[in-house]
Amino acid sequence: AQTVTQSQPEMSVQEAETVTLSCTYDTSESNYYLFWYKQPPSRQMILVIRQEAYKQQNATENRFSVNFQKAAKSFSLKISDSQLGDTAMYFCAFMKRSNNAGNMLTFGGGTRLMVKP
Amino acid sequence: KAGVTQTPRYLIKTRGQQVTLSCSPISGHRSVSWYQQTPGQGLQFLFEYFSETQRNKGNFPGRFSGRQFSNSRSEMNVSTLELGDSALYLCASSPGPLANTQYFGPGTRLTVL
Repeated sequence: AQTVTQSQPEMSVQEAETVTLSCTYDTSESNYYLFWYKQPPSRQMILVIRQEAYKQQNATENRFSVNFQKAAKSFSLKISDSQLGDTAMYFCAFMKRSNNAGNMLTFGGGTRLMVKP
Repeated sequence: KAGVTQTPRYLIKTRGQQVTLSCSPISGHRSVSWYQQTPGQGLQFLFEYFSETQRNKGNFPGRFSGRQFSNSRSEMNVSTLELGDSALYLCASSPGPLANTQYFGPGTRLTVL
């Protein structure tokens, strides 16, 4: 079984600054995906970024980038130029990739991020 | 394309009743997964359906069940409701069995009194 741990329950950052959210995971799988999802107060879960484990290059999506350290089983999210709209719960998630694995996400406990004006 | 839709958005039931929640995936998506979100347990996987077949099931009692129709729409049912079933129930869809990215609906907030 996989586990995902987010060690920072809450974080805050000033608008326009950079913040990094941490995530570690434990798995014996070699082929998998990692995700960061954002859940604003509206409760709608929104995909932020996705990383394939077989890719060494870190994924980037506009102001969002990850630092994927496969050997250390670490997957942090960096948000640059933070905006008020980034205020949300952020969830790190793991998905095994195999023919019979299906589409099952294992989530971390979440990090509540507040962006201050 | 329209996103994942879930109905109803809010629901209040009493203990012992049963409830059915509905999820319509993104057009063309054939995989539907359900998750339960509570403050205490966080986000937990309930089950996944693909081509009307349950592919995976999480660690939930048999009171939780689901099904998928030929048009990929899915329903989940909870029988004999308990107070602890109060939660946000999220549905997510993916294009296929190995689509790897799930797109979530707005959720159904279930309150059990």
